Order: sequence, then structure tokens, then C-alpha cells
Amino acid sequence: EEQLVESGGGLVQPGESLRLSCAASGVSVSSSFMGWVRQVPGTGLQWVAIIHRTADKWYPDYVRGRFTVSRDDSRNTLYLQMNSLNPSDSAVYYCAVGVTIPGLTEYFHLWGQGTLVTVSS
Amino acid sequence: SYELTQPLSVSVAPGRTAIITCGGDNIGTKSVHWYQQKSGQAPVLVIYRDTMRPSGIPERFSGSHSETTATLTIIRAQAGDEADYFCQVWDTKSSVVFGGGTKLTVL
Repeated sequence: EEQLVESGGGLVQPGESLRLSCAASGVSVSSSFMGWVRQVPGTGLQWVAIIHRTADKWYPDYVRGRFTVSRDDSRNTLYLQMNSLNPSDSAVYYCAVGVTIPGLTEYFHLWGQGTLVTVSS
Repeated sequence: SYELTQPLSVSVAPGRTAIITCGGDNIGTKSVHWYQQKSGQAPVLVIYRDTMRPSGIPERFSGSHSETTATLTIIRAQAGDEADYFCQVWDTKSSVVFGGGTKLTVL
């Protein structure tokens, strides 16, 4: 059974860093299209990082330069390193695995349960 | 950046049909996906590539697509279908784009 389990969320102060982990089972992070999506409770979904099987990485403007996605194939784990956090980064962060069809589409067919990140002084 | 527009809320009586729309520029040229998110839970993919249904998703859920609008249709709505529904596309410039979400109420 495919499963994703996030961890590493918590309360941090503005300007601090945090690393989220996503432990995968039943799916290989090294051969999958994966991403991180966040959601402020009660609002919509917003992607923050994508990593392809080729290890190509993509970020939206609002996190580029601050967030870094990586993976450890030996641990079958996806990571999100978040630096220079600010209150607007507060959200539930979901790890997800999906499908990419080059030039056509990308979507996520399995999501983890999420981990809450709160940035506040 | 590319944007998707969804109604904030849709209400449906039990047993009736719920229709949730998703609009965007040239959406007819894009592949549309739909996620269901129940309160306190992670999103679940219910429709992918406009009309495809993942295993385990009831046949009551279907997707359709025109040049201007993508539609998620839920027939014979049940109380258990109450959730937020998000459409999503991929755009060459914006990458993954989600709609703002529609809250479905079954009453």
C-alpha cells in the first residue's frame, strides 16, 4: 500500500529554518514525481516545490531561494528545507506523489496527512 | 500567472446532482484534475485528466470539459460527499495551479 507520512512541523520564529520530512512506503521517491503543497487552514492549496524523477526541481516565486526540495533514495524520504521563514509561510504542508506527462500535465494521486508549520514570534 | 475560478459554495439536496465548475483562460486546452478534501483530512484525487476516475472513487463522480469550463458532477449526492473540492491544471508558466475551492454542502 502506498503511503506518505510527513513530519518535522512545529512552531518557529520569523527568520528561522525548518526541515520537513516525508517518509514514503509502497512508492519509490527516486523514481516518482513528487511535490510539496501547503494550505493555510480554511483556505486553498498552493504548491511550493516539485521534484521530478530526473531530480529536476521547480519552485514558485514566493519560495524560490528560501525553500529547497531534496530526497534521500536510501531512506526513501523526501525533504523540504525551509529557510528565512515568515508568518505567511504558516500552513499545513502536504507531501504528494503524482504523475507528470511532459508538456501536458502534472497532478498528484496520493497525499500525506500533512504537518503544521507555524511561524510566529 | 494562470488562474482558476471556482464558485465558493454549492448546495445540493440529498439524492440530487451537484455540479461544480472550474473556469480559466483556454481551459479547454488543459488537462483538469479534481480533488476532494473533507474536513481535517488531506486532499484525495477524485478525477484526473478531465474524465478519468481513480480506483476506489464511486461512479457517482464524473468530470467533463468544454472550451471554457471544466465540471465535476456528483450524482445522487450523499452526506458523505460534503467537502471542499479543488480543480487543478498544469500551466507552462505557472506550473501546478489550483482553483480556490468550492465548499459542497448536502442538505
